[in-house]
Amino acid sequence: QKEVEQNSGPLSVPEGAIASLNCTYSDRGSQSFFWYRQYSGKSPELIMFIYSNGDKEDGRFTAQLNKASQYVSLLIRDSQPSDSATYLCAVRGDSGAGSYQLTFGKGTKLSVIP
Amino acid sequence: NAGVTQTPKFQVLKTGQSMTLQCAQDMNHNSMYWYRQDPGMGLRLIYYSASEGTTDKGEVPNGYNVSRLNKREFSLRLESAAPSQTSVYFCASNVKGSYSNYGYTFGSGTRLTVV
Repeated sequence: QKEVEQNSGPLSVPEGAIASLNCTYSDRGSQSFFWYRQYSGKSPELIMFIYSNGDKEDGRFTAQLNKASQYVSLLIRDSQPSDSATYLCAVRGDSGAGSYQLTFGKGTKLSVIP
Repeated sequence: NAGVTQTPKFQVLKTGQSMTLQCAQDMNHNSMYWYRQDPGMGLRLIYYSASEGTTDKGEVPNGYNVSRLNKREFSLRLESAAPSQTSVYFCASNVKGSYSNYGYTFGSGTRLTVV
């Protein structure tokens, strides 16, 4: 059973601060890693993906991957109240059937305080 | 470009009733998925279809059936609804291939209550 673990939070940060969200995964064969943002009552929205060790930056978001430690993180710089949402970590393996299913963590709820 | 369209958005069923949740995508994606999302449980895979003509069970398939009608459409059926199936259901799709690093595109969800 593949597992993806996240701290459920809530994680509270002041506006303008850096929010750090963490995720660990159990399957060493995992290939790609995704971060989704989900506002209350809405569907998940893809914000970042990463598949190589190291950092990947996109605007205020940075994804970090360490495959040796089976750890992936998301940093949000200059956090805004509009970043308040639940962040889902997802991991993709290879089912062998040509479908690349994602296994999701339970999500970390982020609250950015004005 | 509509992406992934789910119908209905809301539904209330009585225990024992049946219904079909519809999902259609217009992105020419090969693979489609049905998840349920419950508080404290995260997203759990019910069934998936790697490509047209194939379906497979996910983590929580009991009480559900699926049909991949064509490349665009993937439906989820509850034959005899139970209160434990009260949840938010999401359909998703993605491309197929070894070098696909793109995640899912999700539909807007169906909020189902079984009383």
